[in-house]
Amino acid sequence: GESVGLHLPTLSVQEGDNSIINCAYSNSASDYFIWYKQESGKGPQFIIDIRSNMDKRQGQRVTVLLNKTVKHLSLQIAATQPGDSAVYFCAEKSPLGSYIPTFGRGTSLIVHP
Amino acid sequence: ETGVTQSPTHLIKTRGQQVTLRCSSQSGHNTVSWYQQALGQGPQFIFQYYREEENGRGNFPPRFSGLQFPNYSSELNVNALELDDSALYLCASSATGQVNEKLFFGSGTQLSVL
Repeated sequence: GESVGLHLPTLSVQEGDNSIINCAYSNSASDYFIWYKQESGKGPQFIIDIRSNMDKRQGQRVTVLLNKTVKHLSLQIAATQPGDSAVYFCAEKSPLGSYIPTFGRGTSLIVHP
Repeated sequence: ETGVTQSPTHLIKTRGQQVTLRCSSQSGHNTVSWYQQALGQGPQFIFQYYREEENGRGNFPPRFSGLQFPNYSSELNVNALELDDSALYLCASSATGQVNEKLFFGSGTQLSVL
């Protein structure tokens, strides 16, 4: 893969605030998008997904927005809690071939009590 | 917890050595994918195994190889280790063919090459 720096984009918020994490994806043919949360010392954990025929999907305290025109994905977390502190990755999947999602670089979310 | 287990959790090797990492998939899953995650980066796809056959490969050299066994567990082998191979190696299992197939990750093996 392409070499990138060690410093992840970081978002710092206060507990109780809403958080918005953004992601630009690369493949206009991608039809399925997933957000993962990775806590320190653990593997990525599925949060929420959205198919390309939708522009919004809501879960418990999380909402994903998809803008296919500009190839942009966002994850909104309502009433952010300290337990939400983690690195968040978006991933995209193309309809070609097997389910092999391509991960973005990630954003580090830091929630201050 | 996802039910995906990886071993060992940590490993230290020297340059030029060979390493084998192991993964047990979640019950009911027939597909295993391996990812390499360098510090500060997202997981990079190495390869995927479905029913004991390689089902896709990322941009990794041939010294990265794998196996899947009849019980769907899997191994990742890396020969001639290089310093840049130091990373977290993640295994993910899934049930190919299901609608909205999702990956379930293990906690990874942290490999350090000295």
